[in-house]
Amino acid sequence: GESVGLHLPTLSVQEGDNSIINCAYSNSASDYFIWYKQESGKGPQFIIDIRSNMDKRQGQRVTVLLNKTVKHLSLQIAATQPGDSAVYFCAENRDNFNKFYFGSGTKLNVKP
Amino acid sequence: DTEVTQTPKHLVMGMTNKKSLKCEQHMGHRAMYWYKQKAKKPPELMFVYSYEKLSINESVPSRFSPECPNSSLLNLHLHALQPEDSALYLCASKGTDYYEQYFGPGTRLTVT
Repeated sequence: GESVGLHLPTLSVQEGDNSIINCAYSNSASDYFIWYKQESGKGPQFIIDIRSNMDKRQGQRVTVLLNKTVKHLSLQIAATQPGDSAVYFCAENRDNFNKFYFGSGTKLNVKP
Repeated sequence: DTEVTQTPKHLVMGMTNKKSLKCEQHMGHRAMYWYKQKAKKPPELMFVYSYEKLSINESVPSRFSPECPNSSLLNLHLHALQPEDSALYLCASKGTDYYEQYFGPGTRLTVT
């Protein structure tokens, strides 16, 4: 399944399918991006990051793609599991090494 | 220990009360954060402390008063809050050489 950006806040996928969560950012000066996962009742948890001088980074079951031309970031989750159900936020760093701006988030529902 | 702890977990306070939220980390991180998160919204940055000094204040009303007594502790003092201040208050910390923030589980604040 694939979300079409922040205008579609909920993404439902079948267990075992791949998920793609998208994020648009507005400032070309942003130089670092992070994906966070937030489960109900918990704080955000780091998933994967990418610098602006890269276009792809892979982790365990997750891949982040960065397209600076269109200011677009995506998170791909392979073989989605019920434990992946959560809200996913992208965050960008700009202006200050310590300053982060969060996108509006996408809720991922994984159906067994 | 990669944990950020926050107390209390839940807090209900009246508009004339004074209360404090507490945050603690023992990862040696020198940047500490307060975020406010409303339901189904992303975290919004409130304050950043860097080396125990307030470095970022995102135009937060003075009824929120942060304090960083030492490198492991961060407080948020609350006074004369409004019902619209009800939210999840998240604390986070970050090391000086990388971008990953570690979040606590948050304090769920209700102002009556």
